[in-house]
Amino acid sequence: DAKTTQPNSMESNEEEPVHLPCNHSTISGTDYIHWYRQLPSQGPEYVIHGLTSNVNNRMASLAIAEDRKSSTLILHRATLRDAAVYYCIPSPNYGGSQGNLIFGKGTKLSVKP
Amino acid sequence: DTAVSQTPKYLVTQMGNDKSIKCEQNLGHDTMYWYKQDSKKFLKIMFSYNNKELIINETVPNRFSPKSPDKAHLNLHINSLELGDSAVYFCASSQVQGLSPLHFGNGTRLTVT
Repeated sequence: DAKTTQPNSMESNEEEPVHLPCNHSTISGTDYIHWYRQLPSQGPEYVIHGLTSNVNNRMASLAIAEDRKSSTLILHRATLRDAAVYYCIPSPNYGGSQGNLIFGKGTKLSVKP
Repeated sequence: DTAVSQTPKYLVTQMGNDKSIKCEQNLGHDTMYWYKQDSKKFLKIMFSYNNKELIINETVPNRFSPKSPDKAHLNLHINSLELGDSAVYFCASSQVQGLSPLHFGNGTRLTVT
């Protein structure tokens, strides 16, 4: 399993963009990069995933480095509701599902009003 | 409607007791999971289960057993509870086909005294 390195914590101001970095230098060629977040007192929530190309959805954008050894989750305008722990998880596609994901420590994002 | 629901939300019990946590998903997913989040906030998979296969994380004591009465339910039974079992337990589900993200419940906080 690929090892990941994320900052323990980050702060952002409301309405400003946030770039959450993740290093995964040992990622294998077939691993997808998944991002989940966990709001206080809730279960983890899927955010986005990608393989090689940058990805966008209604929640965030995912920028993947050309060598795939790092990626950045981008929240375009942080809101107070975005305060959560963000997990970057490289993982193979097990039979089509994202089961057996290995969650690390993640980055705790604080958003100031 | 809650997609993945767990009951109870809180469970306080004494060492040596046997307890169960229930999980139901109304997403029509094929596969369900149990994760454990310890006091250090690490989230680790315990089981994944569909109607064909049960995959058990080898580190999980055999006091823990998943039971699935049907595709929409995966309950967690714990025998002879120990202090170290205190944690938050999350149920999740996903579709096997395609790169399907995990949908988590909001957790059951188990406290063993």
